[in-house]
Amino acid sequence: AQSVTQLGSHVSVSEGALVLLRCNYSSSVPPYLFWYVQYPNQGLQLLLKYTSAATLVKGINGFEAEFKKSETSFHLTKPSAHMSDAAEYFCAVSDRARDDKIIFGKGTRLHILP
Amino acid sequence: EPEVTQTPSHQVTQMGQEVILRCVPISNHLYFYWYRQILGQKVEFLVSFYNNEISEKSEIFDDQFSVERPDGSNFTLKIRSTKLEDSAMYFCASSEGATPGGLTFGSGTRLTVV
Repeated sequence: AQSVTQLGSHVSVSEGALVLLRCNYSSSVPPYLFWYVQYPNQGLQLLLKYTSAATLVKGINGFEAEFKKSETSFHLTKPSAHMSDAAEYFCAVSDRARDDKIIFGKGTRLHILP
Repeated sequence: EPEVTQTPSHQVTQMGQEVILRCVPISNHLYFYWYRQILGQKVEFLVSFYNNEISEKSEIFDDQFSVERPDGSNFTLKIRSTKLEDSAMYFCASSEGATPGGLTFGSGTRLTVV
């Protein structure tokens, strides 16, 4: 069965500092991997996705993530945090052999300190 | 940009009552999903729907739940007899299928069972 583990339910960074949100996956087959963001009282918005092309994936709002098979990781980074980045971030995995569900991690709430 | 539309945004219902949550997926998408998020917890898969039938469902999706695509555009989730623990945010999502490019989520319906 597939799963993702997000390390840290809460992460705080100062405005302008590097953002690093960690995600490790478990999958018996090569996975598709995603990061979604949820702003307060809103739905889930796709930030970026890995579908087996380049291992470094660039997304919206300056975020990027790198797929590392050897580490089974898909960490999300942003060089310089903005106050508007404060939100809940979810890593997710799906089985590339099937066209169905995405499994989400528990989420990491990102706090931006002024 | 195409979006998934969910109605209502909030629903309050008494325990034991039936509720129907409605979704209009993106028009050319072929796969439809329901997820839920209990307050403060992770986003959980409920059911996926393709070609007018359920393709997969989770343990949460018991006999109290049903889904339907009654008219080719709407996609509904019915909870037959609501329980207090059904209180959650319910998200509808759709995807083109074939190669998961990620799901597009609606803004959710907050269901409160009293």
